[in-house]
Amino acid sequence: QSALTQPASVSGSPGQSITISCTGTSSDVGSYNYVSWYQQHPGKAPKLMIYEVSNRPSGVSNRFSGSKSGNAASLTISGLQAEDEADYYCSSYTSSTTLVFGGGTKLTVL
Amino acid sequence: QVQLQESGPGLVKPSQTLSLTCTVSGGSISSDGYYWSWIRQHPGKGLEWIGYIYYSGSTHYNPSLKSRVTISVDTSKKQFSLKLSSVTAADTAVYYCARFGRTYDILTGYSHTYYFDYWGQGTLVTVSS
Repeated sequence: QSALTQPASVSGSPGQSITISCTGTSSDVGSYNYVSWYQQHPGKAPKLMIYEVSNRPSGVSNRFSGSKSGNAASLTISGLQAEDEADYYCSSYTSSTTLVFGGGTKLTVL
Repeated sequence: QVQLQESGPGLVKPSQTLSLTCTVSGGSISSDGYYWSWIRQHPGKGLEWIGYIYYSGSTHYNPSLKSRVTISVDTSKKQFSLKLSSVTAADTAVYYCARFGRTYDILTGYSHTYYFDYWGQGTLVTVSS
């Protein structure tokens, strides 16, 4: 199972909005609403930000939102803040009954 | 608040078996619908799912590692463990334990989902002679 495809890096200025894409196939992202997004600060464990495409866990800012269209999912962060600077990973369930992650996207807040 | 904590040797010799344990606190490892998983992250790289286990002992592994992986559970100690055999330098990584979230359906009861709601802090395992 190949990893999901994410851009290596994205950047934005404080207050702006950015979107991180996560491209899979019809065997994973395209077939299941089991896409999740994780935020990881350096040296820390990943933190769940979005689950099942567009749901936010309790405690996660509503500046974070998720969506999906076809074989691609997206994470949008609005009103960028300095603390949003981190690595972001998407994940999806697959038709092989496995879980696959994206390669990760480094978000830089300028 | 559920907490997970990995423990085990930080250095393993090539060809030997990597063994790690995850201790769960603040919640039950035997609750219906919660599955317990291992994930690893190679230095500076992305995440790789290794496998998961249910408190009943039912397991499911990543096919790419299946021949070398064993995950087990000890409910009395609230622990689950990972064994990875015949390790090489390519197995050097930070190893995380994590919990799959669960959902509830009035007809079918609890079932697990496919996102990780709680993670351990991670432990670096280096494979080197």
